[in-house]
Amino acid sequence: EVQLVESGGGLVQPGGSLRLSCEASGFTFTSYWMNWVRQAPGKGLEWVATINQDGSEKYYVDSVKGRFTTTRDNAKNSLYLQMTSLRAEDTAVYYCVSPYKIGGYWGQGTLVTVSS
Amino acid sequence: DIQMTQSPSSLSASVGDRVTITCRASQGISNYLAWFQQKPGKAPKSLIYAASSLQSGVPSKFSGSGYGTHFTLTISSLQPEDFATYYCQQYNSYPRTFGQGTKVEIK
Repeated sequence: EVQLVESGGGLVQPGGSLRLSCEASGFTFTSYWMNWVRQAPGKGLEWVATINQDGSEKYYVDSVKGRFTTTRDNAKNSLYLQMTSLRAEDTAVYYCVSPYKIGGYWGQGTLVTVSS
Repeated sequence: DIQMTQSPSSLSASVGDRVTITCRASQGISNYLAWFQQKPGKAPKSLIYAASSLQSGVPSKFSGSGYGTHFTLTISSLQPEDFATYYCQQYNSYPRTFGQGTKVEIK
């Protein structure tokens, strides 16, 4: 059974930093690209970032470029999202998502609130 | 960036109705189109990928079609558990983009 478990969310002040984690199980993590998607309160879904199998290719939505960095530790089957210079508009539930061809599983999400 | 436009934004339907949601891309995306269902307070669930391939475990009442710029999600016979918000997403190019969502409500 595929499981994706995010953690690391919380309340942070504008300008602050936070590191999200996503622990994957139930599939061969090292073989697949992975994704981050977020959803602001009461809003739709927004793709945030994608990383390839060995971390050598990364893509980001323009609004987070230069502030967010996604990495992975294949030995730990884990995906990370380092978020810096956080803004109020980054407030959202952040999900990690597995590739669609292997089921497109979503984690339960972790809430990031940026507020003073 | 590729814009994804869903229609309608919301609809009211009755149990047993056939429902179709449309998703249009601002430029051709081949068949790199996925559909998701989201219920209030829950994570989205993947329904369809590659425009028409059903994810494992998704009931066959859901079907997808389309290619290029025009795509549809059809629910053949709406059931109470299908009332939710549905999103399309293109994964042909970066940035990946979602439609704005279609809320399916009970009439």
